[in-house]
Amino acid sequence: NAGVMQNPRHLVRRRGQEARLRCSPMKGHSHVYWYRQLPEEGLKFMVYLQKENIIDESGMPKERFSAEFPKEGPSILRIQQVVRGDSAAYFCASSPPAGGLDNEQFFGPGTRLTVL
Amino acid sequence: GENVGLHLPTLSVQEGDNSIINCAYSNSASDYFIWYKQESGKGPQFIIDIRSNMDKRQGQRVTVLLNKTVKHLSLQIAATQPGDSAVYFCAERPGNFNKFYFGSGTKLNVKP
Repeated sequence: NAGVMQNPRHLVRRRGQEARLRCSPMKGHSHVYWYRQLPEEGLKFMVYLQKENIIDESGMPKERFSAEFPKEGPSILRIQQVVRGDSAAYFCASSPPAGGLDNEQFFGPGTRLTVL
Repeated sequence: GENVGLHLPTLSVQEGDNSIINCAYSNSASDYFIWYKQESGKGPQFIIDIRSNMDKRQGQRVTVLLNKTVKHLSLQIAATQPGDSAVYFCAERPGNFNKFYFGSGTKLNVKP
């Protein structure tokens, strides 16, 4: 019973390049969340998605960042024209389709993005 | 509900002692709270949760206390073990959507 999977685990990009981070939720989970973590800090919410829908993107920067969760395949967090300040660990979490109930979020191992 | 970027406070305890990790949350409308454990290089791992209609919940070796009056949450770990060494985060859910705001974390260092 595989947990939340993220790839790549480590990603190095030069300034101006694009970064694509992938997240496969746990089997049976249809809700996906993306968080960003800077060193020595807590996780900051970025976006909450269900299949083919963005539910809440209040934590996403207005420019360069986008997320999707297509009907088939993993959720993708895309960062265009990366800058050094984008260097962080990006975590994905998933939860089952139980709406507004108390849903534990299961986290993946994260993708550590380094921008040179 | 945003966490603040601070250097992590550290709690050092002797193996076998009890540990208490505290967390102040920000939103009085938060109705659900989770404590997570994060080991170096890994994602957060669920420890225990509590709803706002409770003030105490016990798990195996862990207890969470919730004081809504002062918006305070604590995690008690009994008989702390070296494997408990990690960073511990509290997370609050303010509202209907399943979105969590994380605290800035406490590093627990267990000395053998």
